[in-house]
Amino acid sequence: AQKITQTQPGMFVQEKEAVTLDCTYDTSDQSYGLFWYKQPSSGEMIFLIYQGSYDEQNATEGRYSLNFQKARKSANLVISASQLGDSAMYFCAMRGPNTDKLIFGTGTRLQVFP
Amino acid sequence: EAGVAQSPRYKIIEKRQSVAFWCNPISGHATLYWYQQILGQGPKLLIQFQNNGVVDDSQLPKDRFSAERLKGVDSTLKIQPAKLEDSAVYLCASSSDRSSYNEQFFGPGTRLTVL
Repeated sequence: AQKITQTQPGMFVQEKEAVTLDCTYDTSDQSYGLFWYKQPSSGEMIFLIYQGSYDEQNATEGRYSLNFQKARKSANLVISASQLGDSAMYFCAMRGPNTDKLIFGTGTRLQVFP
Repeated sequence: EAGVAQSPRYKIIEKRQSVAFWCNPISGHATLYWYQQILGQGPKLLIQFQNNGVVDDSQLPKDRFSAERLKGVDSTLKIQPAKLEDSAVYLCASSSDRSSYNEQFFGPGTRLTVL
């Protein structure tokens, strides 16, 4: 069975600093995809970044990058130059082969302070 | 393009009552999902539609939950009768296989409180 673990219930970071949000996963599949979503207080889940299991390069999207360590089964999200608007819940999710179903972790609440 | 629309945004009912949620996906998205997000947890998939056919409803409590997607566009999720443990945010999402990663786009959710 697939499982996502996010061990950090909450994180604080000062504005303009970088922060890493941890995500580990468990799967026996060789092909899978890893996603990060942001959930502000308004409720909608906003797609941030994707990493495929066969991708050799770490994914990057603007200030977001994914530190993918396949052997360790980790897919940490790095946010550079944090902004006050980055304060939100962040969820790591996995999709297995031949399915669109996402398995989510429990999330990390990030708070950015001035 | 317009995002995923959901209504109502908030609903408060008493246990054993019925409730229905509505979702309008992004235009052209063939796949529609309903997730349940209990406070302090990540979303859990309840049901997935491909056009108007069910792809996965393995985690839908079928004794009380039902969902339909008429004409492959809008969808409704119904709970009848509601239990206290159904208090959660119900998220609708849609996706298209034409997008880069087949990522899911989510609506703002409906927050259900069962008293």
